[in-house]
Amino acid sequence: EVQLVESGGGLVQPGRSLRLSCTASGFTFGDYTMSWVRQAPGKGLEWVGFIRSKRSGGTTEYAASVKGRFTTSRDDSKSIAYLQMNSLKTEDTAVYYCTTVVVIDLIDAFESWGQGTMVAVSS
Amino acid sequence: DIQMTQSPSSLSASVGDRVTITCRASQSISSYLNWYQQKPGKAPKLLIYAASSLQSGVPSRFSGSRSGTDFTLTISSLQPEDFTTYYCQQSYSFPWTFGQGTKVEIK
Repeated sequence: EVQLVESGGGLVQPGRSLRLSCTASGFTFGDYTMSWVRQAPGKGLEWVGFIRSKRSGGTTEYAASVKGRFTTSRDDSKSIAYLQMNSLKTEDTAVYYCTTVVVIDLIDAFESWGQGTMVAVSS
Repeated sequence: DIQMTQSPSSLSASVGDRVTITCRASQSISSYLNWYQQKPGKAPKLLIYAASSLQSGVPSRFSGSRSGTDFTLTISSLQPEDFTTYYCQQSYSFPWTFGQGTKVEIK
């Protein structure tokens, strides 16, 4: 059974940093692109970014709202994906979900999701 | 960026009703369109990928279709567990974007 468990969320002041972790099990982690999606309180879903598998180059993509501030990385030996969040803003307050990205018929989709971790940015 | 516009934002229906939710892309995205269901306090769940393909384990009352840049999610006979929120999402180009969501409520 695929399991994704996020951790590292919490309350942080604007301008500070936070690192989220996503610990995976139940599948071959290294074969998958890993993505982050967030949801502000009472709002819709927003894609944050992803990191491709090393076989696909290990490259990253980000939403414009976080580019230059957030960085995603992975440790395939530990089956963990990370989201390093710097220069946090109040508008980054959200539940952050870790997801696997599956490619079916050449189309990418968010297949498995973690339970989410809450990040609150406030002074 | 590609804008995804869902309609309606909310709807009221009864158990057994046929329900259709529409998602319109601001430009052509071919069939790079997925649908998700999200229950309160839970992570989203993939329902439909590539506009019309049913994800494994999803009941057959859910279906998706495409007409140009318009996509529809249809629930053929609403069940009590279907009263929740649905999102479309395009993966045609970066940034990947979601629709604003459609909440299906009990009439």
